[in-house]
Amino acid sequence: GAGVSQSPSNKVTEKGKDVELRCDPISGHTALYWYRQSLGQGLEFLIYFQGNSAPDKSGLPSDRFSAERTGGSVSTLTIQRTQQEDSAVYLCASSFPGREETQYFGPGTRLLVL
Amino acid sequence: GQQLNQSPQSMFIQEGEDVSMNCTSSSIFNTWLWYKQEPGEGPVLLIALYKAGELTSNGRLTAQFGITRKDSFLNISASIPSDVGIYFCAGQGNMRGTYKYIFGTGTRLKVLA
Repeated sequence: GAGVSQSPSNKVTEKGKDVELRCDPISGHTALYWYRQSLGQGLEFLIYFQGNSAPDKSGLPSDRFSAERTGGSVSTLTIQRTQQEDSAVYLCASSFPGREETQYFGPGTRLLVL
Repeated sequence: GQQLNQSPQSMFIQEGEDVSMNCTSSSIFNTWLWYKQEPGEGPVLLIALYKAGELTSNGRLTAQFGITRKDSFLNISASIPSDVGIYFCAGQGNMRGTYKYIFGTGTRLKVLA
C-alpha cells in the first residue's frame, strides 16, 4: 500500500487477555518503530527494528510486551495479560535507513482494556 | 518515559492570527522535529531542524532550533481552520543510536473561524 497500515484500528479486550497488534510498513522501509500514545500524552518509544539487526527493546514497559518482525516487513506487537493501564493508542512508523527523522506513521490501533 | 516540556498545552485562536508554540528540554539535542497529528491519524512530519540557530520554513510554518540546543519553537502565520490538530515536538540527543526520539506532550490547536 501507499502508507503504513495498522490493524485492527480499534480493539476492546478484557483485563488479563492477550492482544496482537499488526503493522504493515511502507514497502522498502527497513526501519520500523512502535510507540504508545496515552490520552493527552506524547509518544512513548517502545521498540525499534532495523533490517536484520537485533531490535532495540529498551522502551518496552514490561515483559508482558513483546514484538516481532517477520521477513523484515510486517511487525506484530503482543501484549500478554493486558492491564487497564495498557489502554492507549499504539502507533507504528517506518522509515528508510539513515532517515529516521522522516518517520511515516500509521493511523494507530486504539486499545481499550476493560 | 522521558518527555519534553511543550507549551502551551492548548490554545484557541481566531482564524488569521499567528500562533507560536515552543519546546524545552533539560538536555542538549542534535535534531529537533515538529509533527502535526489530526484526529484518528498518525503524526505527520512538518519540519526537521539539524543545526543550532537553524530557521526553516514550510509554507506558513516556521521553526527554529534554539542556540542553546535545548529548545525549539514553531510559528504558524495567518492560521486557517485546517491548522486544527495536535502539534508535537521531538528531539534526538547524544544517545546511543540515531533513531530514538523523545516526544513532547503536544500543543492542541483549535482555530475559530
